[in-house]
Amino acid sequence: EAGVAQSPRYKIIEKRQSVAFWCNPISGHATLYWYQQILGQGPKLLIQFQNNGVVDDSQLPKDRFSAERLKGVDSTLKIQPAKLEDSAVYLCASSNGQYNSPLHFGNGTRLTVT
Amino acid sequence: AQRVTQPEKLLSVFKGAPVELKCNYSYSGSPELFWYVQYSRQRLQLLLRHISRESIKGFTADLNKGETSFHLKKPFAQEEDSAMYYCALLRAGSYQLTFGKGTKLSVIP
Repeated sequence: EAGVAQSPRYKIIEKRQSVAFWCNPISGHATLYWYQQILGQGPKLLIQFQNNGVVDDSQLPKDRFSAERLKGVDSTLKIQPAKLEDSAVYLCASSNGQYNSPLHFGNGTRLTVT
Repeated sequence: AQRVTQPEKLLSVFKGAPVELKCNYSYSGSPELFWYVQYSRQRLQLLLRHISRESIKGFTADLNKGETSFHLKKPFAQEEDSAMYYCALLRAGSYQLTFGKGTKLSVIP
């Protein structure tokens, strides 16, 4: 099966600019996650979707981050305006939605904010 | 709130030596524990989970609720085991995984 696809792989922007990341999960996977991984840290959940509805966005900095999954398939994560501390790898993951099912991760987008 | 602690940032062992990657957690309920691995230039992937009680690539992990630990072990390290290993906890009834900071395992030939 095709894996989770993410683009772009790398992005460099200046602070206060905006940026968007795209994710296409594994076909048929109802649950989609966005994680932020800062250098030297483990992944931290930003938002979780079940189909096109948000299940958990408690750790999403909503003043600058937004995410959508309008048709319940692919998803976009946006940062506007970006701050230096947003420099990280943004990982998308999907699962079949069953409790305890494994997460399948994409390759991630490495964001550098200068 | 739950927390996952991996006390070692880097662990270096010689090929053929035993490996133990430590993971401790704090959570008041009954957690589900996982180990994820990221090999060089590859994506993060599930290695094993405690409910499966299985051995994957020679690795095993036992959940010790008394010590709140879920250490990953392998009796004889191989060079291909060199990777970044993350311990993760799933709260009961939740879909949210909490990851540790990871341990980089380096197997010296």
